[in-house]
Amino acid sequence: TQLLEQSPQFLSIQEGENLTVYCNSSSVFSSLQWYRQEPGEGPVLLVTVVTGGEVKKLKRLTFQFGDARKDSSLHITAAQPGDTGLYLCAVTGGGNKLTFGTGTQLKVEL
Amino acid sequence: NAGVTQTPKFQVLKTGQSMTLQCAQDMNHEYMSWYRQDPGMGLRLIHYSVGAGITDQGEVPNGYNVSRSTTEDFPLRLLSAAPSQTSVYFCASRQGVNKNIQYFGAGTRLSVL
Repeated sequence: TQLLEQSPQFLSIQEGENLTVYCNSSSVFSSLQWYRQEPGEGPVLLVTVVTGGEVKKLKRLTFQFGDARKDSSLHITAAQPGDTGLYLCAVTGGGNKLTFGTGTQLKVEL
Repeated sequence: NAGVTQTPKFQVLKTGQSMTLQCAQDMNHEYMSWYRQDPGMGLRLIHYSVGAGITDQGEVPNGYNVSRSTTEDFPLRLLSAAPSQTSVYFCASRQGVNKNIQYFGAGTRLSVL
């Protein structure tokens, strides 16, 4: 059983479209992180959200932490080919170990 | 800064062979960890270390050993490789146990035949 479930697993869209990906759990977390991973590279941290209901923006990316701190969403406005990659959510659990979600593979085509 | 450096980038092994995946960081980070990444399963923690001389098991430790003799280096050893260990392996480090920014290496792609 995965601690963090991400949906959708795959997403292929055209340049300029908007999209939302989700990270869900039945557990409550003190904070949640989003990473992006490009082919042949390791994940890179995009943002950390810590407060229930918090919204953070990073250019065209909007991150939201659920009010109950069990889930999060990532919304991309006007997607570009450079947004292509694997998006991973992650939480810090017992022993300060970082646990990752299953990932959403995004492809943005011209 | 080089950040987190992993070697080799690619490796092919035969079943039963042993090898060591190298990981080094130059940021004086206390916390280092090893993950494996398999399709549809995200990254799973193999082993981690909170400082030199201290290591502990993660979610999927079987078949792997680690040691942390220095702050900089955290090698991962496969004692007897199995096809189930075919995966992409990532090393990561962060400044301290309570620091959230984790930096990853570029990965080692391992195939076990």
